[in-house]
Amino acid sequence: ETGVTQSPTHLIKTRGQQVTLRCSSQSGHNTVSWYQQALGQGPQFIFQYYREEENGRGNFPPRFSGLQFPNYSSELNVNALELDDSALYLCASSLEAAGELFFGEGSRLTVL
Amino acid sequence: GQQLNQNPQSMFIQEGEDVSMNCTSSSIFNTWLWYKQDPGEGPVLLIALYKAGELTSNGRLTAQFGITRKDSFLNISASIPSDVGIYFCAGAAGNYGGATNKLIFGTGTLLAVQP
Repeated sequence: ETGVTQSPTHLIKTRGQQVTLRCSSQSGHNTVSWYQQALGQGPQFIFQYYREEENGRGNFPPRFSGLQFPNYSSELNVNALELDDSALYLCASSLEAAGELFFGEGSRLTVL
Repeated sequence: GQQLNQNPQSMFIQEGEDVSMNCTSSSIFNTWLWYKQDPGEGPVLLIALYKAGELTSNGRLTAQFGITRKDSFLNISASIPSDVGIYFCAGAAGNYGGATNKLIFGTGTLLAVQP
């Protein structure tokens, strides 16, 4: 148990729809990072939020956006879903921007 | 997206055997990390390495940060059934105490241990 909780755990969407995934960070952590893990692959960095500001972004299109709230919880939004967006979305929190990452169990998104 | 090369892709071993896996990159990293991921869960950090040439142990696990800073190795001694899972290496271009902890993950090594 890392203390990082994600919701929902599983969801199914159709192409073109929009999705919001949520993450509650571990108590005391002010940084949240999001990763996408396709089946059989390692996680890929999407972006990081540090004290409510985006602090680094991976090679993902603008339809992937995020938000961090004053309590340091975070949302990942994906617009205009494509089939290739089907993946496990992992949230990780850390104490400060460069601290050890503690991962949640992920949200499994299936796009049909 | 960029991923590090991990070898082997999978290993099927008997309980009690030792295991070795490695990870290589075309880029230099200042931090190397090894994670284990069980089915339905997120990755869990096993070992962190911060200096080229560093050798670090965590119980039966030993990892090394390659001298070239482009590779890392993980050894598991006397494997047990609960070692089953997927092992990922990850590199960070910045220092783990630096400005960001964006990680580049490897392709993973699936370990199966037969009792």
